[in-house]
Amino acid sequence: AQKVTQAQTEISVVEKEDVTLDCVYETRDTTYYLFWYKQPPSGELVFLIRRNSFDEQNEISGRYSWNFQKSTSSFNFTITASQVVDSAVYFCALSEAKTSGSRLTFGEGTQLTVNP
Amino acid sequence: SAVISQKPSRDICQRGTSLTIQCQVDSQVTMMFWYRQQPGQSLTLIATANQGSEATYESGFVIDKFPISRPNLTFSTLTVSNMSPEDSSIYLCSVGQGGRVASSRGEQYFGPGTRLTVT
Repeated sequence: AQKVTQAQTEISVVEKEDVTLDCVYETRDTTYYLFWYKQPPSGELVFLIRRNSFDEQNEISGRYSWNFQKSTSSFNFTITASQVVDSAVYFCALSEAKTSGSRLTFGEGTQLTVNP
Repeated sequence: SAVISQKPSRDICQRGTSLTIQCQVDSQVTMMFWYRQQPGQSLTLIATANQGSEATYESGFVIDKFPISRPNLTFSTLTVSNMSPEDSSIYLCSVGQGGRVASSRGEQYFGPGTRLTVT
């Protein structure tokens, strides 16, 4: 069975601080996908990134960066120079690697609050 | 990426009634998924809907309570039947994007959600 753990329920930072959101996963699959989604107060889920299990190269997109370490089953998300607009719930998720799409297993989410 | 719309965006319903939520996608997709997000909680998969076959329900969810239709490759409905206050949640439609382009494999897109309040 797949499982995703986001140990940090809530994080509060001051604007311009860097913040890292942790994600640890469990799966028996050798090939899988990992995701991060942002859910602002409006409720819509915003796709941030998808990572293949066979690609451990870290990725940077603007102020966002992701650190994937297969050896520790972790897929952490860092926001550099945080802004108030980053305040949201962030979900880490895991799926099988199927070309037609697959069910997602979500972590419990981390509520990030960025204070001015 | 796929563009997904849901109707209604929100509704307030009386206990014991039913509500049908529609999900429309702007392209043909093989699989559609329905998730529930109870207040302050994470997302839980209700069922997977493939066109032309019965939906596959997750443990804890049954067809009598959450009947699903999938009449074609761009549309699905989820009905929440005989509602109680415990059904108050956000219901989200999601699609998986297959295809020949490697970068599109495994993409998962979500609709804007339907906020349901049962009184």
